[in-house]
Amino acid sequence: DIVMTQTPLSSPVTLGQPASISCRSSQSLVHSDGNTYLNWLQQRPGQPPRLLIYKISNRFSGVPDRFSGSGAGTDFTLKISRVEAEDVGVYYCMQATQYPFTFGGGTKVEIK
Amino acid sequence: QVQLVQSGAEVKRPGASVNISCKASGYTFTTYYIYWVRQAPGQGLEWMGIINPSGGSASYAQKFQGRVTMTRDTSTSTVYMELSSLTSEDTALYYCVRGSSAYPWGQGTLVTVSS
Repeated sequence: DIVMTQTPLSSPVTLGQPASISCRSSQSLVHSDGNTYLNWLQQRPGQPPRLLIYKISNRFSGVPDRFSGSGAGTDFTLKISRVEAEDVGVYYCMQATQYPFTFGGGTKVEIK
Repeated sequence: QVQLVQSGAEVKRPGASVNISCKASGYTFTTYYIYWVRQAPGQGLEWMGIINPSGGSASYAQKFQGRVTMTRDTSTSTVYMELSSLTSEDTALYYCVRGSSAYPWGQGTLVTVSS
């Protein structure tokens, strides 16, 4: 199974300041079809996860442009350019390149 | 709009089985795989398995092999997940999710296993 390792576990951030989350996979996430199926999910308290970013860097419809994804191969990053109060929650990276799909352990973003 | 709507909360005794439904709407049911993810209280996300609504073939995480069955009904655009031999460790929120881009997620079904 592909192991997804996220850092940090927790990220206390001042409102308006940037935040960055790293995700590393135990093997390359490049699929045989050439795509890299690395998604970023946000889970607000008491809600299901929701898609933010798919295939490394594609922002999903309605996601604010302060969220951006980057990376390649085995190293990926989610950045929030200016954290707002509504961004509080747990963020997960997820690989959908190979069965079983696997998730990072989550990064809790909270306001300082 | 594209959505997945799951069945309601369940309370089960240890050793029992649970069957959760996930009804898809807003798109052609047979064109996207659907998979199941669970989340124990206060924990992270765990992938259980995936089904191809077109042919009905399924693939399961090794952890759940022999205990989980995923089926679909194309006439109602519904996917089902049955988990048997329940223990307290199966108490969790269960989500259905569409496709490799993980959109959308169902609202979740809470399964509580308690004697």
